[in-house]
Amino acid sequence: QVQLVQSGAEVKKPGASVKISCKASGYTFTSYYMHWVRQAPGQGLEWMGIINPSGGSTSYAQKFQGRVTMTRDTPTSTVYMELSSLRSEDTALYYCARTYGDSSGYLGDWGQGTLVTVSS
Amino acid sequence: SYELTQSPSVSVSPGQTASITCSGDKLGDKYACWYQQKPGQSPVLVIYQDTKRPSGIPERFSGSNSGNTATLTISGTQAMDEADYYCQSWDSSTVVFGGGTKLTVL
Repeated sequence: QVQLVQSGAEVKKPGASVKISCKASGYTFTSYYMHWVRQAPGQGLEWMGIINPSGGSTSYAQKFQGRVTMTRDTPTSTVYMELSSLRSEDTALYYCARTYGDSSGYLGDWGQGTLVTVSS
Repeated sequence: SYELTQSPSVSVSPGQTASITCSGDKLGDKYACWYQQKPGQSPVLVIYQDTKRPSGIPERFSGSNSGNTATLTISGTQAMDEADYYCQSWDSSTVVFGGGTKLTVL
């Protein structure tokens, strides 16, 4: 079965960077795009961007342009999301999510989430 | 930037039909999907491509999309359906989520 296992919780100071991993298993890693979505405490879902694990191409939400970098490591079936210049507003649960079916626009399988806390 | 608007909350009695709406400019010209999120859990895709259900999603979940409004309908609502529901579409290769609707089953 499809599994997306994310790295553990992080506590960072303002201005620092965080890099979260998402290890995929149970399917052909390069056949499905991966999205990153975050959710601030008590708030809704916010899309951050998408990566194509096959070629590594990315597309980021305008809000995060210049601060986010998504990469992948094909041999380990792992995607990474790095967010820099952290501020308190970046405190959130960060999810990776695999696309569903033939379209890259639907998020079918989700990781368990990684809590990032930004605090001085 | 493109926006999707949802009502913050909807209440329904057990066994009745719940309708959750999502509005956006010419949303009917795009595809919409819906996610269910229960407290402490990751979201689950319940409707995609306006009307389709992923495998394992009960038949009581259905969707429609026309004009400026997409609708998620839950027929014969059960207590287990109490959750937050998010609509989602995409515009210019950007994924957009609605703000979410909390469904309460009274």
